Amino acid sequence: DIQMTQSPSSLSASVGDRVIITCQASQVISIFLNWYQQKPGRAPKLLIYGASNLETGVPSRFSGSGSGTDFTFTISSLQPEDIATYYCQQYNTLPITFGGGTKVESK
Amino acid sequence: EVQILESGGGLAQIGGSLRLSCAASGFVFRSYAMNWVRQAPGKELEWVSGITSGGGRPFYADSVKGRFTISRDNSNNRLNLQMNTLRAEDTATYYCAKGRYGDPKSEMDHWGQGTLVTVSS
Repeated sequence: DIQMTQSPSSLSASVGDRVIITCQASQVISIFLNWYQQKPGRAPKLLIYGASNLETGVPSRFSGSGSGTDFTFTISSLQPEDIATYYCQQYNTLPITFGGGTKVESK
Repeated sequence: EVQILESGGGLAQIGGSLRLSCAASGFVFRSYAMNWVRQAPGKELEWVSGITSGGGRPFYADSVKGRFTISRDNSNNRLNLQMNTLRAEDTATYYCAKGRYGDPKSEMDHWGQGTLVTVSS
């Protein structure tokens, strides 16, 4: 199985801060990488697909980049509603695997 | 509007069985892969199983292979997960998630709200 390693596992940031989360795959996965946001008690929500494509309706402050094994997710200016846990997910090879998550908290 | 609603969760005994179901609407169900993803309390997401749009190809995580069976009824827009020989580590919220394409190897663009399964002795 492909292991997805996210870092950091948690971070604290202030409104307006730039937030960067990284995700590393244990094997090359091309650009078959998605990012999800999950708020407490809620289902995950797709934000970024294919490593860098913004899902319809998602604010442009969210972005993704990378290919191969190393990927980055960025929130350009953190908003209060962005407090959540973020997960990367690869779909290059079954089984689909998720990263361990990054909890973004308010400083 | 896409709507996905899971049902069937509850309390089960270790070694017992439970059947989850997912009712979908607002899209052409037969055209898209469907998945089950679970999340143990306080833990990360874990993909459990996926099935192609036509239902001919099911896929499973190693942790459930041989115990869980995914199926779909494209006539009634329903996805099912038969869970047998349940273990304590199967305790989780189970989400039904729609794939973007007919193969499970794609992004999951719509999710249900989840149904909680608790396995205990």
